[in-house]
Amino acid sequence: AQSVTQPDIHITVSEGASLELRCNYSYGATPYLFWYVQSPGQGLQLLLKYFSGDTLVQGIKGFEAEFKRSQSSFNLRKPSVHWSDAAEYFCAVGAGRLSFGNEKLTFGTGTRLTIIP
Amino acid sequence: EPEVTQTPSHQVTQMGQEVILRCVPISNHLYFYWYRQILGQKVEFLVSFYNNEISEKSEIFDDQFSVERPDGSNFTLKIRSTKLEDSAMYFCASSTGLVTSNEQFFGPGTRLTVL
Repeated sequence: AQSVTQPDIHITVSEGASLELRCNYSYGATPYLFWYVQSPGQGLQLLLKYFSGDTLVQGIKGFEAEFKRSQSSFNLRKPSVHWSDAAEYFCAVGAGRLSFGNEKLTFGTGTRLTIIP
Repeated sequence: EPEVTQTPSHQVTQMGQEVILRCVPISNHLYFYWYRQILGQKVEFLVSFYNNEISEKSEIFDDQFSVERPDGSNFTLKIRSTKLEDSAMYFCASSTGLVTSNEQFFGPGTRLTVL
C-alpha cells in the first residue's frame, strides 16, 4: 500500500528565508506525486505535481520540488518565503498507473508553516 | 477558471440524521472523489466514482455512506445515519482522467458537525 510521511509537523521560518518541507513516500512503482497547500478554512490548492520526466518540477507561487527516487523523497522548496505562504502543506502520492486517471490520493499528515516577520 | 463547488459550506446535524453533501465537479471531468479531513488530521480518501459506479472505496466508506450522480452535473455523498465521529471537513474532487493531466481539483469543502 502507498503511504506518505511528512516528518515535520510544524516549521517556523523568517520572512525572506529559504524553505524546505520534507516528504517521503512508499510505493512499489513510479508514483504520481503532488504538493497541495491549505490555508485556514480553505480547500486544497495544487502547488505542483510530478508524473514523469524532469525530476525538478516548478509550481505556482515560486515553489519547486525535486523527485529523488533513490531516497523516495519529494521535498518542497522555496528560495524566499512571503508572509502569505503561511499555511498547511500536504504531500500526496497517487498510484502511477498509466491507463487510468481514477487513482486515489494518499496524503501525508501535513506540515504547518508559520512565517515570522 | 473552472472550479469544483460544494454546498453547503457548513452543515450541522443531530446524530442519527441523514445528510447529503453536494458537489458540482468541473464540467469536462470524468472521475469524481470524496475525501474527508477530521479536524487536525490528514486528508483521507473515501471513494472514487467513474462511469456511474464506484471505482474504489476505503474502509471508512461503509454501508452508511453512498454516492450518486443524480444528473449530469451534481455528485453527492449521503450519510444515512450520522455518528459523532463523522464530524469532519468533506472535500469533493474531480479529474479528467487523462494521463497527461491527472491532477485532482478540490472543492472548498463542507464542514459537517454532528451533535
